[in-house]
Amino acid sequence: DTGVSQDPRHKITKRGQNVTFRCDPISEHNRLYWYRQTLGQGPEFLTYFQNEAQLEKSRLLSDRFSAERPKGSFSTLEIQRTEQGDSAMYLCASSESSYNSPLHFGNGTRLTVT
Amino acid sequence: KQEVTQIPAALSVPEGENLVLNCSFTDSAIYNLQWFRQDPGKGLTSLLLIQSSQREQTSGRLNASLDKSSGRSTLYIAASQPGDSATYLCAVKAGGTSYGKLTFGQGTILTVHP
Repeated sequence: DTGVSQDPRHKITKRGQNVTFRCDPISEHNRLYWYRQTLGQGPEFLTYFQNEAQLEKSRLLSDRFSAERPKGSFSTLEIQRTEQGDSAMYLCASSESSYNSPLHFGNGTRLTVT
Repeated sequence: KQEVTQIPAALSVPEGENLVLNCSFTDSAIYNLQWFRQDPGKGLTSLLLIQSSQREQTSGRLNASLDKSSGRSTLYIAASQPGDSATYLCAVKAGGTSYGKLTFGQGTILTVHP
């Protein structure tokens, strides 16, 4: 069990550019989540996958955001035409399918939009 | 809409003290409650998960209690150590959904000084 892995750890981009983040969940976990966390706040839910199916999206996930999980393994989160307000820590988590399985988080990708 | 509040926002204690962190939530129809620890610039580490049918969970020096009817949970840390310094977050999973979306509090920043 190597834990949830996220890449890159840090990303600095200019406003208007597109960015893509990757998450590799714990191998036997079929649920995968994306959260966003700004300074001094708790994480906010963005989206959720069960295997390759995206089952829920938050209203926070504007049209500029898209997430995929092809083949039900790793996931990518893309932000198009980045804005300064997108600057945050993007956290990925995974869990087993039991209702009471705890979420396991990665170390996150810190995005800074200049 | 579920809202989660954590009190206090910050806490500074000398090493060796026992301490209590508080978490309250507005909608008592939860499936479970999870406590996490977050070190600066890092992801979240799951500490304890309490199912809605349970009253408490213990792990080492940590004990978490849940009073679902009053919408409250506490995290008790015994004999605090400098290594316990971190942000502690509680999160609730709403009942009636199988998607695992968690609603987080803003966290309590704990500093344990030698």
